[in-house]
Amino acid sequence: DIQMIQSPFSLSASVGDRVTITCRASQSISISNYLNWYQQKPGKAPKLLIYGASNLQSGVPSRFSGSGSGTDFTLTISSLQPEDFATYYCQQSYSTPAFGQGTKVEIK
Amino acid sequence: EVQLVEAGGGLVQPGRSLRLSCTGSGFTFGDHAMSWFRQAPGKGLEWVGFIRSKAFGGTTEYATSVADRFTISRDDSKSIAYLQMNSLQTDDTAVYYCSRDRASGYVLRGGWFDPWGQGTLVTVSS
Repeated sequence: DIQMIQSPFSLSASVGDRVTITCRASQSISISNYLNWYQQKPGKAPKLLIYGASNLQSGVPSRFSGSGSGTDFTLTISSLQPEDFATYYCQQSYSTPAFGQGTKVEIK
Repeated sequence: EVQLVEAGGGLVQPGRSLRLSCTGSGFTFGDHAMSWFRQAPGKGLEWVGFIRSKAFGGTTEYATSVADRFTISRDDSKSIAYLQMNSLQTDDTAVYYCSRDRASGYVLRGGWFDPWGQGTLVTVSS
């Protein structure tokens, strides 16, 4: 099974900061662009942000963007807003679905 | 509006069974594979299993951790997917979510999960 390794585990940032979260496929196995990103707030279901590594889901603000292909991927929030404080998960859809361990974005 | 609603969670003793349901609306339920996930308290997301659409046999696949105890089924006439959980263990305690798989085909490669239901809490405890 292909596992996803996310970093950092958590980060503290201020409103307006640029935030970058990375996700890497285990064993350096290429997953092409089969990588999705989700946002989850406490007590809520996950919400799709990015699919196919770089495609913005309808209704998601343009400050969110995704990049990467193969084994290394990035989620970027260009200017952090108060409503963006949450936990973010990557998920590969190349094989049996697997999620990264999550990155909690906290207020500095 | 495309929506999923889970139901059936609750407190159950170890070794007992529970069936969860996931009701879809706002889309043609039978055209899509449906997946179940879970999230233990304070932990990350774990895929539990999926059921393909009837067009691809309605077959199922499961995570190794639940393969011999959990069964997913579907009733497209009611737009419902079910998760039958048998021989429940304390480490099955989690919020269980269902989601629509946006992948197409039998292999279900390259898809994504949207939307998600609100989740239903299953607590396994004596």
